Amino acid sequence: GDSVTQMEGPVTLSEEAFLTINCTYTATGYPSLFWYVQYPGEGLQLLLKATKADDKGSNKGFEATYRKETTSFHLEKGSVQVSDSAVYFCALSDTGGSYIPTFGRGTSLIVHP
Amino acid sequence: DTAVSQTPKYLVTQMGNDKSIKCEQNLGHDTMYWYKQDSKKFLKIMFSYNNKELIINETVPNRFSPKSPDKAHLNLHINSLELGDSAVYFCASSLRTTEETQYFGPGTRLLVL
Repeated sequence: GDSVTQMEGPVTLSEEAFLTINCTYTATGYPSLFWYVQYPGEGLQLLLKATKADDKGSNKGFEATYRKETTSFHLEKGSVQVSDSAVYFCALSDTGGSYIPTFGRGTSLIVHP
Repeated sequence: DTAVSQTPKYLVTQMGNDKSIKCEQNLGHDTMYWYKQDSKKFLKIMFSYNNKELIINETVPNRFSPKSPDKAHLNLHINSLELGDSAVYFCASSLRTTEETQYFGPGTRLLVL
């Protein structure tokens, strides 16, 4: 079945540091890929998505590129802020299946001033 | 305006009790979902409804019974609560079953004592 593997957290960075959160996936079809963010005490929000190979999703300074050859969708940001502290979920949706997202286990990001 | 709302936000109760969680979305979406997030942040789909009809029912104990009075509302009733039911329950919606992006509510934090 489909699965998503994320790097374990927490990831702890200083403000303005470069962020990478790794995500790899396994899917039988041609999935769409997502990053969701969960701020403390809130529900998940869509951060960015990519629907086909080589697409780049971007939002709020975050970027991720759909790499079919390495089955990866790593999240990057050039300069993190304290307000980016949250849990980040990588997910895939198999457009040949039920469309219900399969979520990774989440990676907690803590940014210190 | 809140897109997906849930009540209550917090629920503390004794083992054996029966409780309900309510969810409403004002996005005009056709499809709604219930997810359970455990203490390690793992997110698991429980149910999905499309236009008031149950379309996905994952392996969930019979003590959990969803009800959708109309397509804007999806409630979750839990009978005979157990310690292991303690978790955060998220409601979500999407435009339709084939729309991948999900919109989450703020969550209901259930603690069973």
